[in-house]
Amino acid sequence: DQQVKQNSPSLSVQEGRISILNCDYTNSMFDYFLWYKKYPAEGPTFLISISSIKDKNEDGRFTVFLNKSAKHLSLHIVPSQPGDSAVYFCAAPHSGAGSYQLTFGKGTKLSVIP
Amino acid sequence: KAGVTQTPRYLIKTRGQQVTLSCSPISGHRSVSWYQQTPGQGLQFLFEYFSETQRNKGNFPGRFSGRQFSNSRSEMNVSTLELGDSALYLCASSLGAPEKLFFGSGTQLSVL
Repeated sequence: DQQVKQNSPSLSVQEGRISILNCDYTNSMFDYFLWYKKYPAEGPTFLISISSIKDKNEDGRFTVFLNKSAKHLSLHIVPSQPGDSAVYFCAAPHSGAGSYQLTFGKGTKLSVIP
Repeated sequence: KAGVTQTPRYLIKTRGQQVTLSCSPISGHRSVSWYQQTPGQGLQFLFEYFSETQRNKGNFPGRFSGRQFSNSRSEMNVSTLELGDSALYLCASSLGAPEKLFFGSGTQLSVL
């Protein structure tokens, strides 16, 4: 049972335009979400997060929106740059036995075309 | 500040063999987690260690095991390798909070 879903394996966007990456979740206990970015041959790096008490969090060109009723979040990148080309993972932490583990989506590969 | 270091970067093994992967966390980080990344399944949680104790384990068979040493360095072991174990194995360290795991570059394991 995949609790975090990224239904678009890939996305191509022109440089300067907006990139919108989507993520859906099924577990209503999730109350915090993170986006990670991964370049080939490197580990994922943290990009931005959002708590369920907010519906929007912004950091520079990156904004994450959360719609709790729809169990949906999205990452907006404006304007998109070629260096943004990477795989983006949506993730939710949940706790167990005093520790946390992240449940990741399968990722969306973003290609920004110059 | 040095990042998370994983060795080796690449490994080629044959079915039935066993393998040990190593991870050195960021200095001061006591929590180390391991994840498996495959094209079909994305990143999946293997286990998490804190102060030499396994606190959490994902849904993987007993062939996958790990340990953490007193200096927080961690190793994971996979015994009786299967073709399906071919994957990128990622180690991540943190100060214990759920967010902002710091990942290493991973060990790419190929099982032939």
